[in-house]
Amino acid sequence: QMQLQESGPGLVKPSETLSLTCTVSGGSISSSTYYWGWIRQPPGKGLEWIGSIYYNGNTYYNPSLNSRVTISADTSKNQFSLKLSSVTAADTAVYFCAVRSDGYNFLWYFDLWGRGTLVTVSS
Amino acid sequence: EIVMTQSPATLSVSPGERATLSCRASQSVSSNLAWYQQKPGQAPRLLMYGASTRATGIPARFSGSGSGPEFTLTISSLQSEDFAVYYCQQYNNWPITFGQGTRLEIK
Repeated sequence: QMQLQESGPGLVKPSETLSLTCTVSGGSISSSTYYWGWIRQPPGKGLEWIGSIYYNGNTYYNPSLNSRVTISADTSKNQFSLKLSSVTAADTAVYFCAVRSDGYNFLWYFDLWGRGTLVTVSS
Repeated sequence: EIVMTQSPATLSVSPGERATLSCRASQSVSSNLAWYQQKPGQAPRLLMYGASTRATGIPARFSGSGSGPEFTLTISSLQSEDFAVYYCQQYNNWPITFGQGTRLEIK
């Protein structure tokens, strides 16, 4: 059974870079079967897709965040990561990593999610 | 960007009754639509994909329909555990977009 676990600082200062890692167990991030993503949810608000990464390293980003987002994978650690630069209070949110675990048609919905981690942007 | 609009924002329904939630896309997304359920403090849970296919382990009281721009999630007989927030998500085009959610509350 695959599991995803987000990790990273819970507090980031304004203008700095938010860095989170999603550690995957029970499945390989190198497999073409899986489609990986980051989604966030500001307190009391809805879901916002941040971006996704495929096993071949191809990345897809939300244009609203595009210039500030980098998603990468570390196959040796079976992790994928999120970096969001120049953060402001508006980036305060619960950040989820997620995966489609039975991918075969390049359709990106998410059937397994991490528990999420709250990141607060504040000085 | 495709805008997903869910209605109503809040739906009050009694246990045992039927709930119907709507999701409309600003342009056609074919059948590339998913529904999620989220309870307080939890991650979203995939309910439906392909507009009408139940995800693994989802009870048969949940059903989805629609295509193009208009979609519906129906819960045939509400159980206490069904009261939550529901989101639709389109994955027909980049960027992936979610609706703003419908809160299903006990009447």
